[in-house]
Amino acid sequence: EPEVTQTPSHQVTQMGQEVILRCVPISNHLYFYWYRQILGQKVEFLVSFYNNEISEKSEIFDDQFSVERPDGSNFTLKIRSTKLEDSAMYFCASSPLAGAYNEQFFGPGTRLTVL
Amino acid sequence: TQLLEQSPQFLSIQEGENLTVYCNSSSVFSSLQWYRQEPGEGPVLLVTVVTGGEVKKLKRLTFQFGDARKDSSLHITAAQPGDTGLYLCAGAGGSGGGADGLTFGKGTHLIIQP
Repeated sequence: EPEVTQTPSHQVTQMGQEVILRCVPISNHLYFYWYRQILGQKVEFLVSFYNNEISEKSEIFDDQFSVERPDGSNFTLKIRSTKLEDSAMYFCASSPLAGAYNEQFFGPGTRLTVL
Repeated sequence: TQLLEQSPQFLSIQEGENLTVYCNSSSVFSSLQWYRQEPGEGPVLLVTVVTGGEVKKLKRLTFQFGDARKDSSLHITAAQPGDTGLYLCAGAGGSGGGADGLTFGKGTHLIIQP
């Protein structure tokens, strides 16, 4: 069964460094998402992406964050200058449809630790 | 800001018992999804409900969407130890259009004791 994959599974970085988290969505899906989950807290929406542009973003997704679909398969989240509070699990998700039927399928996540 | 409240936060019951967990909001959602999440892993989609009053069954799990599309419930019949996990509800935006981000609840931690 097709699934969303994410790399790396765990990323450790120093505060102030740039990180790029990578995702390969399910191949025939058109809508892509990033979420984060700080340890012990709920999953929070960051950004959605469709047709090579941001569709929706949350207040968390400030100028330090950016997303890109550099080719036909990868979807990336870049954090330009990491802060301690960026430490979290980051999940990529994809869906084949929009609106009420946008069933989102999640990847296994990347655990980001900022020291 | 849309919020989803899940209750109870923690539930521990014996194998074979029935249980219901709830997901409530003051906001209307175009759809509501239930996920199960294991520690250190991504949420796994169980079901999506779209129509007010809709009921969906997945083996021993029954999901219901409230008539006003503001709340949902998950009922498990004859719970088994394999049902142990974190159950999350997540609502898609009320507009029903575009690539809506999901609003998640904090989840119900369910433990089924043998």
